[in-house]
Amino acid sequence: GAGVSQSPSNKVTEKGKDVELRCDPISGHTALYWYRQSLGQGLEFLIYFQGNSAPDKSGLPSDRFSAERTGGSVSTLTIQRTQQEDSAVYLCASSLLAGTSSTDTQYFGPGTRLTVL
Amino acid sequence: AQTVTQSQPEMSVQEAETVTLSCTYDTSESNYYLFWYKQPPSRQMILVIRQEAYKQQNATENRFSVNFQKAAKSFSLKISDSQLGDTAMYFCAFMTRRAGNMLTFGGGTRLMVKP
Repeated sequence: GAGVSQSPSNKVTEKGKDVELRCDPISGHTALYWYRQSLGQGLEFLIYFQGNSAPDKSGLPSDRFSAERTGGSVSTLTIQRTQQEDSAVYLCASSLLAGTSSTDTQYFGPGTRLTVL
Repeated sequence: AQTVTQSQPEMSVQEAETVTLSCTYDTSESNYYLFWYKQPPSRQMILVIRQEAYKQQNATENRFSVNFQKAAKSFSLKISDSQLGDTAMYFCAFMTRRAGNMLTFGGGTRLMVKP
């Protein structure tokens, strides 16, 4: 079946602008994760959604970052007033059902490369 | 907090040879999962292999196998019969449900397979 998809593939924006990044998880997957991959910081967890539970936002670096997940499926990561240090690849992953053995495996999308000028 | 360390930033191997990538981790948890992911230049993170900490038997997937040493907190990846398509960044990752299921990644090892 279809894997995790993300859009746009690349995004170039000017400092101070807001951006929205989209993630479509694998159909039926209840858990969705956002990670950021940057040269200086490596791969970092940002936020985690599981079903209808309140999201785990413990990895968000500042209040300029927010995310929502509508209808338990598609997720949007929003970065307000972008800064140059926000430049990175933003990766989305989904898993079938967090909390059981083999279904914990996370499958990743191709990522969105964000460049803030 | 969990930490994952990959001590080899770059490695190279001749095609058809065997290479081992190292990974160590630090945790106070007893139940956890370990993963190796591959990231080729296309940027797509691809699962290579996974290991449940409660299983003593080392996981294998075709040419890929792990050496899981729980007491030493070591989780190395062995790639046998290396192929050009194995050229990629390899990330070791740790997950525990008690910490919310998110993955903690190592810094990665860039592997180059030479013809």
